[in-house]
Amino acid sequence: KAGVTQTPRYLIKTRGQQVTLSCSPISGHRSVSWYQQTPGQGLQFLFEYFSETQRNKGNFPGRFSGRQFSNSRSEMNVSTLELGDSALYLCASRQAFRGRSTYEQYFGPGTRLTVT
Amino acid sequence: QKEVEQNSGPLSVPEGAIASLNCTYSDRGSQSFFWYRQYSGKSPELIMFIYSNGDKEDGRFTAQLNKASQYVSLLIRDSQPSDSATYLCAVKYGGANSKLTFGKGITLSVRP
Repeated sequence: KAGVTQTPRYLIKTRGQQVTLSCSPISGHRSVSWYQQTPGQGLQFLFEYFSETQRNKGNFPGRFSGRQFSNSRSEMNVSTLELGDSALYLCASRQAFRGRSTYEQYFGPGTRLTVT
Repeated sequence: QKEVEQNSGPLSVPEGAIASLNCTYSDRGSQSFFWYRQYSGKSPELIMFIYSNGDKEDGRFTAQLNKASQYVSLLIRDSQPSDSATYLCAVKYGGANSKLTFGKGITLSVRP
């Protein structure tokens, strides 16, 4: 099975711009979570989507948003970029079924975002 | 605030030794526990998960869970230089829709 894929792998943006990151989960995985990783804060949870609905949300400002499509692919958007948004953005997928879920998450390679 | 603590790092062990990585968590309601390995410049890789009290073994790796004392450990037997990485502990609190909370990680260095 192919793993989680993320595009683009690297991105350089300037302050005030917006950015959209894409994630394709492992085939058959219907839940997608997004994380931000920085040296100082570690791995911070952004949000999780399942069946095109946001199921959980972390403590990030409203500039961070996401969505999930019917094929389980997900996108994350950051508007009005700030220098502090420079980070590795990771997507993780897991199997999830109504009434039964597994909790093991598998990460993609990440998108390295640099804001200048 | 639910927390996951990974202290006493970085850790350095000689090749062939047992590396012991520890993690404590704050919520007794926690259900699921995970260990991820992250090489420098790479994304985290799931290496172990454990849901029940006791030990779970997979090759050279053993995860140990003690819910009463609220800690989970990862033992790496016969440590190899290729085991040198940052190890992240993650805990899932609550129900099906609850998120994973990660510790800050502990860096392991295995000396040849």
